[in-house]
Amino acid sequence: DAGVIQSPRHEVTEMGQEVTLRCKPISGHNSLFWYRQTMMRGLELLIYFNNNVPIDDSGMPEDRFSAKMPNASFSTLKIQPSEPRDSAVYFCASSFVTTNTEAFFGQGTRLTVV
Amino acid sequence: KQEVTQIPAALSVPEGENLVLNCSFTDSAIYNLQWFRQDPGKGLTSLLLIQSSQREQTSGRLNASLDKSSGRSTLYIAASQPGDSATYLCAAGWDTGANSKLTFGKGITLSVRP
Repeated sequence: DAGVIQSPRHEVTEMGQEVTLRCKPISGHNSLFWYRQTMMRGLELLIYFNNNVPIDDSGMPEDRFSAKMPNASFSTLKIQPSEPRDSAVYFCASSFVTTNTEAFFGQGTRLTVV
Repeated sequence: KQEVTQIPAALSVPEGENLVLNCSFTDSAIYNLQWFRQDPGKGLTSLLLIQSSQREQTSGRLNASLDKSSGRSTLYIAASQPGDSATYLCAAGWDTGANSKLTFGKGITLSVRP
């Protein structure tokens, strides 16, 4: 398997624009996580899905953020409208929840909002 | 509040030294603990996963231990090499496997000097 695949790898956008980040989890995994990493706050969990259903979105900072998982092989994280303070690296991770719930991360999307 | 702490934030050692990276967590009712490596500008690579019923895991020169009663985990790196230079993050999972989400420490940036 190619691992967790995220796109784009880098995104530069102007304040106020809509941004969509994409993630393809590892085939067969049933949990998917979106994290945000900044120097100040480290890695923070934004939202996670289990069997395509959102389980906990308490980490989503504002209504400007939304996430979907229409099927087991695809998820999106959308920011509308984007703001400079949204600049960060966004990671997607997936796992297969059994007794060994090891999480695997994608390479991340570096978002810069100017 | 469930928190994960890693101290110090940075560490520099000469090549060949055996070293220990520390991780502490606030709630002993942990489900699992995972150690990751992150190279600059890259994603997270899973190193070791320890389930709550286990006390340690080994992979090559790496050994991770878990002491739930004291709220601590350590990552032991034997015979360190310059290629080990990276940021090491530990992450704890408190929910059950069906809702397993990881809370991360801020990481320890390791530099191994030739």
